[in-house]
Parts: sequence; structure tokens; C-alpha cells
Amino acid sequence: DAMVIQNPRYQVTQFGKPVTLSCSQTLNHNVMYWYQQKSSQAPKLLFHYYDKDFNNEADTPDNFQSRRPNTSFCFLDIRSPGLGDAAMYLCATSRDGNSGADTQYFGPGTRLTVL
Amino acid sequence: GQNIDQPTEMTATEGAIVQINCTYQTSGFNGLFWYQQHAGEAPTFLSYNVLDGLEEKGRFSSFLSRSKGYSYLLLKELQMKDSASYLCAVRDSNYQLIWGAGTKLIIKP
Repeated sequence: DAMVIQNPRYQVTQFGKPVTLSCSQTLNHNVMYWYQQKSSQAPKLLFHYYDKDFNNEADTPDNFQSRRPNTSFCFLDIRSPGLGDAAMYLCATSRDGNSGADTQYFGPGTRLTVL
Repeated sequence: GQNIDQPTEMTATEGAIVQINCTYQTSGFNGLFWYQQHAGEAPTFLSYNVLDGLEEKGRFSSFLSRSKGYSYLLLKELQMKDSASYLCAVRDSNYQLIWGAGTKLIIKP
């Protein structure tokens, strides 16, 4: 089955210790997104890729970086996690990102705990 | 600014019908999405509306009124597994998705 996969599902890190979250897709979608979601809040878009073109949201902290080495994989790097970065991190993909009906499909998420 | 409003929480009884409302103020409109999100899981796509009217898909229906900036998700014959958060998201004129905070639906036996 075509899908969006995220690893790990649960990640525990220490304050200030770099962490990398991964996402892969078998949907062959052009666009990949990283969202941060805290409890009972809307998903917050951090950045997205149209193919290899990186698009950073204006309010995404510099502490967050991303890499997309190929169509299938995308990584979220948190260089120095703070307690406020504890959240669910959601990866999503969509076919083209520039049509009204373009639907985003989500991976299962990685829940990050910062100690 | 852009804004999506949904009730924070609703409670309904198993077997009943519930309507979850969403109002929006966005820079342009290119469609409205409903997603279901169970606790601790990722959102899953439910429906997409771009024209006014009602779209029915099994037990779930979604309605849109663009002139009123309003949508609702109607869930019929509620089951315990429908306990989840329901997120409304609007695609604006720049094709960005603006997300609501979601409505937590609690189903009681």
C-alpha cells in the first residue's frame, strides 16, 4: 500500500541534544511538508518542499532545519531542542501543492519528548 | 489575518447525529477540507468542498456556504470509534492550508 512512513514513532532527547526525524513516502508525491502540532492546537507548518525547492515559513525558528535528499525521503533536524519543542511532528505529502483539491496525506507522526 | 473557528469540544450519544461547525476568514478561497484525528495519531482526510452545497460520503457529510464563510461536518449513526478531533482547513488564494485547532468529539454510550 502506498503510504507515508515516519520513524521513529516516539523520540526522547535531552535538552540541547540534536535530533533527526525521518519521513519517507511511496506515493511519489511532489510535495512534502513538516508540521509541528501541540496538544489541542492546529498543526503548524514548519516548511515544505516542492520537489527540491525548499520553502521555509517565516516564523519557523532557525533551530529547525530540513533536508530532502530525494523524492522519497525528507528529514527534520532540530539542532538544539528546548522544552518548548516537545510536540507531535507530522510529515505530509501531496501530489502537486498548487491546485485547490490537492490533498495532504499524513504519516503517523513522531512524538518528541525533551527532558 | 486569517482565521478558522471551530468549537473546542462537543459531546454526543452513540447512534445519534452531530453537526460540527467551522467558520473561516481567509485571503481567498480554494476549497475546504475536513480531517479526522484520533488521539495521538495523524490526521486522516475525510472530505473536500469547493462548491456550495452538501457532499455525502457514507455516514459523513460536509456542507459549504462560501458566501457565509461557513462549513459543517455532519456525522450520522455515531459509533464509539468516531470519538476523535475533527479539523477544518481552508486553502487560501496562495494555496496555503489554514488549519483550525479542531473540535474534540466525545461519544457517550
